[in-house]
Amino acid sequence: GAVVSQHPSRVICKSGTSVKIECRSLDFQATTMFWYRQFPKKSLMLMATSNEGSKATYEQGVEKDKFLINHASLTLSTLTVTSAHPEDSSFYICSAQRGTGTSGRAYEQYFGPGTRLTVT
Amino acid sequence: DAKTTQPNSMESNEEEPVHLPCNHSTISGTDYIHWYRQLPSQGPEYVIHGLTSNVNNRMASLAIAEDRKSSTLILHRATLRDAAVYYCILRTNTGNQFYFGTGTSLTVIP
Repeated sequence: GAVVSQHPSRVICKSGTSVKIECRSLDFQATTMFWYRQFPKKSLMLMATSNEGSKATYEQGVEKDKFLINHASLTLSTLTVTSAHPEDSSFYICSAQRGTGTSGRAYEQYFGPGTRLTVT
Repeated sequence: DAKTTQPNSMESNEEEPVHLPCNHSTISGTDYIHWYRQLPSQGPEYVIHGLTSNVNNRMASLAIAEDRKSSTLILHRATLRDAAVYYCILRTNTGNQFYFGTGTSLTVIP
C-alpha cells in the first residue's frame, strides 16, 4: 500500500535557525502533497497545499515566507521553517495524494509519520 | 470550510461494538465524508469514506443518515489497538483539502 515517509522524525534546533523537513511518497507518485501542524492534544491544522512544479497554496494565517514549501518532484516535498522560534515547536505532518481527480480513491490522502520540531 | 462535530471522548469495552457519531449539518451535496484515526505521535490513518450510501470495509462500517447531516463510524469489535483519536472530515470534490475537527478520543477498556 501507499507509504509516505518523513525525515527527520524529530529535530531540535536553536532559535533563529532554519530547519528543513522532507516528505516522500515511497511507492507512488504524488501530484499533490499537504502540510499540517499539530500542537499537543490539538487537532491537525492544514498549513498549505503543495502541487508538483508550482507554488504552494497557503491557508489563511500561515506565513508563506516563514514556511517555505518546495515540491520539485512527484515524490518529494520539503517544508523549511525559517528563522524558527520556540512558538514554532510543533508536530509537522505531511500527506500525499496519489494521482489526480476527485473520484475513486485518487483523492485519498496518505499521511507521513510526522516530524517533531523543538526550538530552544 | 464545512464543519464536523464529534464528542470529545468515548469509552468502549474490548470486543464490544463501538458507534462513533459525527454531525455535519452544513454538508453540501458533493462533500464526501472521510474517517481517519490517529494513534499518539503518529500520522493519521485512513479508515473509511462515503458519499451517500453506507459503506463497509475490513476495518469498519460507515452509516450515513438519509439527509447526510450526520454519520456514524462503527467498529464491530473494539480491540486495544483501536484506541486512537478518530476524525470525521468533510472533503469537497474541488480542492481535496482536509480540514480536521477536534475528533473523538476512543478509550478501549480491557
